[in-house]
Amino acid sequence: EAGVTQFPSHSVIEKGQTVTLRCDPISGHDNLYWYRRVMGKEIKFLLHFVKESKQDESGMPNNRFLAERTGGTYSTLKVQPAELEDSGVYFCASSQWHTDTQYFGPGTRLTVL
Amino acid sequence: QQPVQSPQAVILREGEDAVINCSSSKALYSVHWYRQKHGEAPVFLMILLKGGEQKGHDKISASFNEKKQQSSLYLTASQLSYSGTYFCGTERSDNQGGKLIFGQGTELSVKP
Repeated sequence: EAGVTQFPSHSVIEKGQTVTLRCDPISGHDNLYWYRRVMGKEIKFLLHFVKESKQDESGMPNNRFLAERTGGTYSTLKVQPAELEDSGVYFCASSQWHTDTQYFGPGTRLTVL
Repeated sequence: QQPVQSPQAVILREGEDAVINCSSSKALYSVHWYRQKHGEAPVFLMILLKGGEQKGHDKISASFNEKKQQSSLYLTASQLSYSGTYFCGTERSDNQGGKLIFGQGTELSVKP
């Protein structure tokens, strides 16, 4: 069974540019989460989808971040325009039930210059 | 509301034991333990639900003390492969939607 995959693995952009991160959850997992880890700090929750609906987006930093999950399959996280403080590793995780094990993807390392 | 992990870092010799603690000031529904190696995805270790259960597999086990809102991860007879950063992710009783709040991590290094 394929795990959670994320694309790209690395992205280096300049301040003000736009970047779109993609996450493909494990097949059949209705729950999809985005997290971010900034420079050696803790992993922080961004948002949670149940199928295509946003269940909880309390962790989204501001309106420069837009997450979508059309059709309830893969998800994208767009940052527009990117700022220096957006640098970090963005993880996606998926689970079958909301109280179940969350399986993490390898992450996308975003560097904003 | 972030759980506090202790210690922040620990260095072990192969074969030694370690305990990593995760404490929360909020009532918890569950605690999830992960290990992350540098540049890789966090790998799930185990979940503990409220009820004070203890779980384990191989030489890694964990407990959850509901009264203290504290979970402990026990690593016995450590192996080189145990090196990495250990995170506890907590799910609060008043927000059982799946959102995990992580501790700051404990960096474990196992030396030969």
